[in-house]
Amino acid sequence: AQSVAQPEDQVNVAEGNPLTVKCTYSVSGNPYLFWYVQYPNRGLQFLLKYITGDNLVKGSYGFEAEFNKSQTSFHLKKPSALVSDSALYFCAVRDMGNTGKLIFGQGTTLQVKP
Amino acid sequence: GAVVSQHPSRVICKSGTSVKIECRSLDFQATTMFWYRQFPKKSLMLMATSNEGSKATYEQGVEKDKFLINHASLTLSTLTVTSAHPEDSSFYICSARFREETQYFGPGTRLLVL
Repeated sequence: AQSVAQPEDQVNVAEGNPLTVKCTYSVSGNPYLFWYVQYPNRGLQFLLKYITGDNLVKGSYGFEAEFNKSQTSFHLKKPSALVSDSALYFCAVRDMGNTGKLIFGQGTTLQVKP
Repeated sequence: GAVVSQHPSRVICKSGTSVKIECRSLDFQATTMFWYRQFPKKSLMLMATSNEGSKATYEQGVEKDKFLINHASLTLSTLTVTSAHPEDSSFYICSARFREETQYFGPGTRLLVL
C-alpha cells in the first residue's frame, strides 16, 4: 500500500537558521511527490512537486525539496527560516490509480522563533 | 497558480438542516475535484472524488446519502451535508486537479452545527 510518513509532529527553528521538514514515502513505481503548507483556518497552498527530472526541486517562498530515491525521502528545506514560515506542512504522494488522489502525511508543524 | 474558491467560508446551522458548500476552479477547468474533511491539527481525510458528469467516488466509511456531491460543470462541484448533526462540525476543504498532476485547494469552509 502507498503511504507517506512525516516523522516529526513539530519542528522548531530559530529565524535565520536553515530548516528541514522530513518526509518519507512508500509507493510502487515512480512517485509523484508534493509539499503543501497550511496556515490557520485556511486551505492548503501548493509549494512544490517532483514528477521527474532534477532531484532538487525549487518551489514557492524560497522552499526546495530533494528527491532521494534510495532513501525514499522527499525532505523540504529552506536555507533561512522566517517567522512567517510558521505553519502546518504536508507531504503527499499521488495515488497511481485512476482517481489520482493524494495520500497525505500526518503533517508537521513548523515553529520559527524570532 | 491555479485558483480554487469555496463558498461559504463559514456556516452555522441548526441540527437537522442541510448545508451546501460550493467549490469552484476560477481559472481552469477541472474534470476531477476532491472533497476533504479536516479535524483540528490533523491531516486531511479524503471523503470523495468528484468527477464531472458522473457519480462521485466515495471513500470507505463515508455515507453517500449524507454527503451528497454534484459536479455538474468543469468548474463547479458542490458538497451538501444533509440532516447535519453536531458531529458533522468540521473544516471542509475541496481541491481541483490541474493538468492531471497538481491539486489546488480551496480556502476551506468551517461548518458548525448547533
